[in-house]
Amino acid sequence: AQSVSQHNHHVILSEAASLELGCNYSYGGTVNLFWYVQYPGQHLQLLLKYFSGDPLVKGIKGFEAEFIKSKFSFNLRKPSVQWSDTAEYFCAVNYGGSQGNLIFGKGTKLSVKP
Amino acid sequence: EPEVTQTPSHQVTQMGQEVILRCVPISNHLYFYWYRQILGQKVEFLVSFYNNEISEKSEIFDDQFSVERPDGSNFTLKIRSTKLEDSAMYFCASSDDRNTEAFFGQGTRLTVV
Repeated sequence: AQSVSQHNHHVILSEAASLELGCNYSYGGTVNLFWYVQYPGQHLQLLLKYFSGDPLVKGIKGFEAEFIKSKFSFNLRKPSVQWSDTAEYFCAVNYGGSQGNLIFGKGTKLSVKP
Repeated sequence: EPEVTQTPSHQVTQMGQEVILRCVPISNHLYFYWYRQILGQKVEFLVSFYNNEISEKSEIFDDQFSVERPDGSNFTLKIRSTKLEDSAMYFCASSDDRNTEAFFGQGTRLTVV
């Protein structure tokens, strides 16, 4: 079955630390990849997406992600986190069907200490 | 900025009762979706809807569930006879094209007691 794995359940960082959140997906041919963020009490918001082209994609708020096809990975990075980045981060994959039929990872909770 | 709105934000219902969760997608969007997230678990796809019919559905979306776009603006999810295990956060989403990202509402927390 198609699946998405996020390796870290809860990450705690101090401000200015660098962030990398792992995401791996099971093989399934053509994929479109997404990272969503959910700030406390808010809805899921798109951080960035990869459909094709340059495997290094830049999103909002200084986030970026790299698609490595050979590793089935789409890790999220940010060089220097801020307290306001405290949120839950979800990796999601669409396996070539309707764009809304996303398969989500379990999410990684990020807590940034001021 | 246009957004997907969901009502109510929290619904408590007795087991066996019917519930209707309501969503107003972004106005020019054509594709509509429901997802759910049981506490502590993944966000799971339930159903997608386009051109007034279901285009895809997951195994979770059994005969107890139905969706409707009754009036051209609302998009509803009905659970016919709720079970305790239906307790979850239900998210509505919409997109303007199948090749663009989905925009999510804030969710409705359904508690079945």
